[in-house]
Amino acid sequence: EPEVTQTPSHQVTQMGQEVILRCVPISNHLYFYWYRQILGQKVEFLVSFYNNEISEKSEIFDDQFSVERPDGSNFTLKIRSTKLEDSAMYFCASSSWTGNNQPQHFGDGTRLSIL
Amino acid sequence: ELKVEQNPLFLSMQEGKNYTIYCNYSTTSDRLYWYRQDPGKSLESLFVLLSNGAVKQEGRLMASLDTKARLSTLHITAAVHDLSATYFCAVGLGLSGNQFYFGTGTSLTVIP
Repeated sequence: EPEVTQTPSHQVTQMGQEVILRCVPISNHLYFYWYRQILGQKVEFLVSFYNNEISEKSEIFDDQFSVERPDGSNFTLKIRSTKLEDSAMYFCASSSWTGNNQPQHFGDGTRLSIL
Repeated sequence: ELKVEQNPLFLSMQEGKNYTIYCNYSTTSDRLYWYRQDPGKSLESLFVLLSNGAVKQEGRLMASLDTKARLSTLHITAAVHDLSATYFCAVGLGLSGNQFYFGTGTSLTVIP
């Protein structure tokens, strides 16, 4: 069964550094998402992406964050000037061409640790 | 402020017993999703509920949606150990309905 893959599984970064989290969505999906889950807390929506542009974003997704689809398969989340509170599990998800009303398929996540 | 609340947060139940997890949300939506998360793992889609009165069943799990009451339930029948996990409901919002707002999660432990 096709799946969303994320790399790396664990990223350790010094505070203030930039980090790029990578995702390969399911190949025939057109809608892409990033979520984060701070340890022990609920999953929070960050951003959705369709047709090479951001379609919606939450208040969390400020100027520190950016997303990009640099080629036909990868979908990346860049976090600039990382802070301690950026430490979390970051999940990438994708959904099919119909977009609405479809479940989002999640990757295994990248655990980001800011030191 | 949107709230998606699950009850209970923690549930310990014996094998063979039945129980219901509740998901209340504070805004209008007819899109409700249930996910399962095993420790350290990703979120696995269980159910998609898209209309008032929707009911779906898969194995020992059954989910329902009452959009008027802004309530969804996840009913567990004759629990088995393999069902131990954290269960999240998520409400689909935003212009496209693709902004998923997750509940607080219910950590289920099934005791042999």
